[in-house]
Amino acid sequence: SYVLTQPPSVSVAPGQTARITCGGNNIGSKSVHWYQQKPGQAPVLVVYDDSDRPSGIPERFSGSNSGNTATLTISRVEAGDEADYYCQVWDSSSDHQVFGGGTKLTVL
Amino acid sequence: EVQLVESGGGLVKPGGSLRLSCAASGFTFSSYSMNWVRQAPGKGLEWVSSISSSSSYIYYADSVKGRFTISRDNAKNSLYLQMNSLRAEDTAVYYCARGTTVVTPADYWGQGTLVTVSS
Repeated sequence: SYVLTQPPSVSVAPGQTARITCGGNNIGSKSVHWYQQKPGQAPVLVVYDDSDRPSGIPERFSGSNSGNTATLTISRVEAGDEADYYCQVWDSSSDHQVFGGGTKLTVL
Repeated sequence: EVQLVESGGGLVKPGGSLRLSCAASGFTFSSYSMNWVRQAPGKGLEWVSSISSSSSYIYYADSVKGRFTISRDNAKNSLYLQMNSLRAEDTAVYYCARGTTVVTPADYWGQGTLVTVSS
C-alpha cells in the first residue's frame, strides 16, 4: 500500500517560513492535499490539488509537489498556526485514501 | 452553512457492534461523496471508508474491511457506519467528512464522535 512520510515535528520562530514535507513514491504524479488540525478540533483543509487554497485560507499557506516530495509552506508564521498538519492523497492502485503520519508545527 | 453532526458513539465491549450516524445540512447531500475518518487518542488521522453520491462506489480501509459497512440515505441527508466485531484498536474519534467525489479531499468535517472499545 502507498505510504506517505512526514517529519514528526517542525519548529519555527514567528514571522519566519515553515516548510513541512510529505514524501511518497512518485508523489509528484498524484494530487496532494493538506489539513490543519488544532487540539480538540476537526481537521481543516488548507491546501488541495498540490497548491490551491480553499476560500478563507490565508495566502500565507502554499503548496508544491514534485518528484518524491510534496511541501506545505507557511509564510510569516503566526502563533495561531501552531497545529498538526497532515498530507493526503488518493491511491488509485488500491482505491484508498492515504494520510501521512502528521507533523506537529511548533511556533517558538 | 454546511453542517455535519455525528452521533452514535459510546462505550462498547470487544466483539460488539455500534452504528454511527452523520446528519448533513446546508448543502445538497445527494450530490457529494462522503467519508469516515478516525483518529485514535493521541494519534494521526486514518481513513476508514468512502461512499459516492449515489452509493455506486464504496471503499474501505484494509483494517475495517469485512467488519464495517458504510451506507447513506439521501432522502434523509444521512450517512451511516455500521461497525461490527469491534476491537480495542477501533477506539477513536470518528469524523464524517464531505468530498466532491471519492477521490477528492474532504472540504468539510464534523466534530466527531468518540467510540471506545473496552471490556
